[in-house]
Amino acid sequence: GAVVSQHPSWVICKSGTSVKIECRSLDFQATTMFWYRQFPKQSLMLMATSNEGSKATYEQGVEKDKFLINHASLTLSTLTVTSAHPEDSSFYICSASGLAGGGAYNEQFFGPGTRLTVL
Amino acid sequence: QQPVQSPQAVILREGEDAVINCSSSKALYSVHWYRQKHGEAPVFLMILLKGGEQKGHDKISASFNEKKQQSSLYLTASQLSYSGTYFCALTSGGNDMRFGAGTRLTVKP
Repeated sequence: GAVVSQHPSWVICKSGTSVKIECRSLDFQATTMFWYRQFPKQSLMLMATSNEGSKATYEQGVEKDKFLINHASLTLSTLTVTSAHPEDSSFYICSASGLAGGGAYNEQFFGPGTRLTVL
Repeated sequence: QQPVQSPQAVILREGEDAVINCSSSKALYSVHWYRQKHGEAPVFLMILLKGGEQKGHDKISASFNEKKQQSSLYLTASQLSYSGTYFCALTSGGNDMRFGAGTRLTVKP
């Protein structure tokens, strides 16, 4: 299957700082990337969908000025949590969808996730 | 709209079977099933497309009834490695997926 990487795996930061998380599709071109957030013992909640070269589409209730998403190339999307606060602490997971060899139609390939802790 | 999964949790002995259900109030195009271990990202199990698909791999299979807008995941002769939280995720034709709340499966020796 296709491989999606995320960097960093975890990050601890102070309240008020900004954190950038990278999501890369390593062996295929991801026309669409998705960002999810998962709080402990809860399901994945879709935050935004981004297509390469265009602005991200945010889900209702997700502040686009706080969670900046950039999908500059077919293999890279970034999520920047601006002015992070303790309530932003969560597990952030990206996924990528595109023309991946061997992938099922419309399959999303998930990255390993980034655990953000804001002190 | 988030799909509804049931049961919320299930505990099995090794070798027992389990069924996890997923339903939606919206017309569905595809159903995806994932398993997530604690602290890890979800791992793709299978996708079923509209058209009444049934699929299986090893001892895990799934069905998709688009008329009833529901899907079921069948785990046969469960193994310890099956433990985890199972999520269904649904699409209604677009690219975005909506995840269910998850079913926590525990397999004991």
